[in-house]
Amino acid sequence: DVKVTQSSRYLVKRTGEKVFLECVQDMDHENMFWYRQDPGLGLRLIYFSYDVKMKEKGDIPEGYSVSREKKERFSLILESASTNQTSMYLCASSLWQGSSYNEQFFGPGTRLTVL
Amino acid sequence: KNEVEQSPQNLTAQEGEFITINCSYSVGISALHWLQQHPGGGIVSLFMLSSGKKKHGRLIATINIQEKHSSLHITASHPRDSAVYICAVNYSGGGADGLTFGKGTHLIIQP
Repeated sequence: DVKVTQSSRYLVKRTGEKVFLECVQDMDHENMFWYRQDPGLGLRLIYFSYDVKMKEKGDIPEGYSVSREKKERFSLILESASTNQTSMYLCASSLWQGSSYNEQFFGPGTRLTVL
Repeated sequence: KNEVEQSPQNLTAQEGEFITINCSYSVGISALHWLQQHPGGGIVSLFMLSSGKKKHGRLIATINIQEKHSSLHITASHPRDSAVYICAVNYSGGGADGLTFGKGTHLIIQP
């Protein structure tokens, strides 16, 4: 059974803290993604990675960074958490086959609250 | 980036009814996805399509590339179909771009 796991389901942090959200997939997928989901705005892409040590900005990268040191792991980092980063964070992965797209597999999400 | 529009935003129906959710986009895409999200957050991919029609059980997804429109149909709807249904696209241009999402359709099927 394919799996994308995220390190925490719920997380509470204080303003200014450095926050790490971890995502691991066991499907040997090349592509990994971080999204955030907010009421009324839907899901939006923060960053994605198509290979180890490679990263690309998505639609809303400001205030975030990422790290992909191993193929199976993709980390989202909030360098200095702010209250407007309170959100549901979802990780996803997909296989890359040349020029074709494939379905994305999502993790269960991390609900982050920044106080 | 261009937006993905879904309609309706909210839909309440009786068990057994035929359900249609619509999705439109404004520029060329490489693929369109239909996703399902149940309360609690988990998202499951239902379909990925770039042309024609796909069917899985009681779910049918169609896409019209010329009209830039897709529909998700649910036949013989059941209360367990209650969820948020999300349309998302990969815009044309190659690469491993992430998805651009519609805001979702909140479906409630009453017994």
